[in-house]
Formats: sequence, structure tokens, C-alpha cells
Amino acid sequence: AQSVTQPDIHITVSEGASLELRCNYSYGATPYLFWYVQSPGQGLQLLLKYFSGDTLVQGIKGFEAEFKRSQSSFNLRKPSVHWSDAAEYFCAVGEPQGAQKLVFGQGTRLTINP
Amino acid sequence: DTGVSQDPRHKITKRGQNVTFRCDPISEHNRLYWYRQTLGQGPEFLTYFQNEAQLEKSRLLSDRFSAERPKGSFSTLEIQRTEQGDSAMYLCASSSQPGQGSSYEQYFGPGTRLTVT
Repeated sequence: AQSVTQPDIHITVSEGASLELRCNYSYGATPYLFWYVQSPGQGLQLLLKYFSGDTLVQGIKGFEAEFKRSQSSFNLRKPSVHWSDAAEYFCAVGEPQGAQKLVFGQGTRLTINP
Repeated sequence: DTGVSQDPRHKITKRGQNVTFRCDPISEHNRLYWYRQTLGQGPEFLTYFQNEAQLEKSRLLSDRFSAERPKGSFSTLEIQRTEQGDSAMYLCASSSQPGQGSSYEQYFGPGTRLTVT
């Protein structure tokens, strides 16, 4: 069965500092991988996705993520965070075939210090 | 394209009552998904439709839950005899069928927050 682990429940960084959010997945083959962001009381917005090809993917709002097959990881990074990046971040895996439903991690809450 | 919409945004109900939520997907999307998100957790898959056909249901979807998508457009999710454990955010998402010229990704609505008292 697929599963996603986000080891950090809550991270606090200072505005302007770099950010890395960790994501590890368990899946029998190479899944589709996603990062979503959720602001309080809102739905989820897709930041970026990996299907195949280049293992470093660029997303919206200056985010990027790197797929490392050997580590079953898909960590999200941003070189310099802004106060508006404060939100909940979810990593998800999707089946390449069939229902293609998403399995989400528990989420990492990001707090930005001014 | 106005995105995925859900109605209502908030619902407070008493235990034992029935509730129904509506989701309007992006118009050209033929796949529609329902997820449930409890506090402090990531969303969990409930069910999905391709056009009007409900093709997969999670074991989380007890017999008190029923979902429909009668004309392959909007969908409804009904919970009968609500319980306090049903309190959660119910999220709807839509996507294109792979191979229809659009990359596979799900677009989420704002959700319906259900509180059962």
C-alpha cells in the first residue's frame, strides 16, 4: 500500500531564510508525486508535480522539489521564504494508473518569523 | 474557468441529522474525487467518479455515506444519521482523464467544513 511520511509536523523559519520540507514515500514503482499548499480554512493549491524525467522540478511561488529514487524522497525547497508562505504543506503520491487517487502525508505547518 | 466550487462552505448539524454537500467541478473535467480531512491530518480519499460512474470507494465510506454524479457534471455527497466523528472538512477535486491532452493533476475546491454537535 502507498504511504507518505512527512517527518516534521511544524517548522519555524525566519523570513528570508531557506526552507526544506521533507517527504518520504512508500510505493512499489515510481509514483506520481505532488506538493500542495493549504492556507487556513482553504482548499489545496498545487505547488508542483513530478511524473517522470528531470528529477528537479520547478513550481509556482519560487518552490522546487527533487525526486531521489534511492531515498524514496521528494523534498520541497525554497531559497528565501516570505511571510506569505506561512501555511500547511502536504506531500502526496498518486497512482500512475487506475483511479489515480492521491495519498497524502500528515502535513507540515510552516510558521514564518518576521 | 472558475475552478472547483463547493456548497455550503460551512455546515453545523445535530447528531442524527442528514446533510448533503454539492461539488461543481471544472467544466471540462470528467473525473471527480471526494476526500475527507480531519484536523491536523492530510486529506483521505473517499470516492471517485469518471463521468457519471462511481468507480472506486474507500472503506472509509460507510453505508451512511452516498455520493452521486447523475449527469457527469456536479456531484453530491450525502451523510445520513450524522455522528460526531463525521466532523471534518470534505474536499472535492476534479481532473481530466489522462491522455486527453492535459497533464494529470487534481484541482481542489475550498471544501465544506462539517461540524456535528
